[in-house]
Amino acid sequence: KNQVEQSPQSLIILEGKNCTLQCNYTVSPFSNLRWYKQDTGRGPVSLTIMTFSENTKSNGRYTATLDADTKQSSLHITASQLSDSASYICVVSGAHNTDKLIFGTGTRLQVFP
Amino acid sequence: SQTIHQWPATLVQPVGSPLSLECTVEGTSNPNLYWYRQAAGRGLQLLFYSVGIGQISSEVPQNLSASRPQDRQFILSSKKLLLSDSGFYLCAWRHRGIYEQYFGPGTRLTVT
Repeated sequence: KNQVEQSPQSLIILEGKNCTLQCNYTVSPFSNLRWYKQDTGRGPVSLTIMTFSENTKSNGRYTATLDADTKQSSLHITASQLSDSASYICVVSGAHNTDKLIFGTGTRLQVFP
Repeated sequence: SQTIHQWPATLVQPVGSPLSLECTVEGTSNPNLYWYRQAAGRGLQLLFYSVGIGQISSEVPQNLSASRPQDRQFILSSKKLLLSDSGFYLCAWRHRGIYEQYFGPGTRLTVT
């Protein structure tokens, strides 16, 4: 069964600190992996998207890594800000149908001053 | 630039009442369109997607339906709402040939 699992479920950090979120998936064959940021009550916003040939991709203070062999991805947030408080969702697309995305349940990040 | 709209933003409906949620996209043509539902504590679930006018693919059997009467308009409907239909409904679009999906602001539906 195609699944996407994220850890931790929730995370609390102090402003200015770094953190790393994890994503494991079992989707096969694999097409691409995305990380989204979702503020409470809002639609998700894309941070990065990577295909199987890409190992890392950055978007400002956000850096995503992908290991297609072990089917793992991580999202690293550098020098966290209060505005980083949100849910971060890992999403995987299979190669057979790129319209059917498989979503993780997200990591809820809270950044405190 | 492209913009996606959803309305209403929030909705409270009694069990058994009908539903109509609307989504429109501006600034593009021939988009792929999607309806998702996000239940509390769960990941987004794809409900329907459409690759063209009148073309609807259903992913989850339930009492919901979708229609695409115009190129950039996507409607989610129900004849009789259930309590389990409560959730956060998101519309999304993408250019054909490009992976990226762009989400709308969402509609919070509460069925009482």
